[in-house]
Amino acid sequence: NAGVTQTPKFQVLKTGQSMTLQCAQDMNHNSMYWYRQDPGMGLRLIYYSASEGTTDKGEVPNGYNVSRLNKREFSLRLESAAPSQTSVYFCASSELAGSYEQYFGPGTRLTVT
Amino acid sequence: AQKITQTQPGMFVQEKEAVTLDCTYDTSDQSYGLFWYKQPSSGEMIFLIYQGSYDEQNATEGRYSLNFQKARKSANLVISASQLGDSAMYFCAMREGPGNQFYFGTGTSLTVIP
Repeated sequence: NAGVTQTPKFQVLKTGQSMTLQCAQDMNHNSMYWYRQDPGMGLRLIYYSASEGTTDKGEVPNGYNVSRLNKREFSLRLESAAPSQTSVYFCASSELAGSYEQYFGPGTRLTVT
Repeated sequence: AQKITQTQPGMFVQEKEAVTLDCTYDTSDQSYGLFWYKQPSSGEMIFLIYQGSYDEQNATEGRYSLNFQKARKSANLVISASQLGDSAMYFCAMREGPGNQFYFGTGTSLTVIP
């Protein structure tokens, strides 16, 4: 099992460009999450999807959109990238029972110039 | 108000000694979960330990234990017999709410000294 996969691993964008970060999990988890990690700020939740067909805003949703394409895939879109969106982006998934432990992808390092 | 507070930006510990990393949380939910994650310099997030709000006993996983004091809303991580490989960032996190939203602290950088 690959667990949680993210593409791309690295990306450089110019201000105003758009892009989509892809995330997929093969653990049959119901919930999926997108975080950003900035120095000194820990991880902050951008959007999450508690189950297939639902999405909700987290702490820092402005400038982002998400799509829960199916149970496996959860994508994050930047419509018009800004330098403030330079960050490391993590996708995670978890089950809706037990410990609800989150399994994380390897991250995408995004730089917006 | 911060949901998760980690007040120690950096900690040092001698190899083979025990160390406690502090975490306090803020929630009005009765049902919630508390987690600790390790992030080495390579960047991946590694799950260490979980404590449910209704669990009466402190969680333990090998050299990791979670000192859960519900009335004080604290969930400190204790690492016993520190190893050089324990040098990393450590994040405390909480799950709450009907949608299982997660909140992370700002992290503690632990350095193990030989």
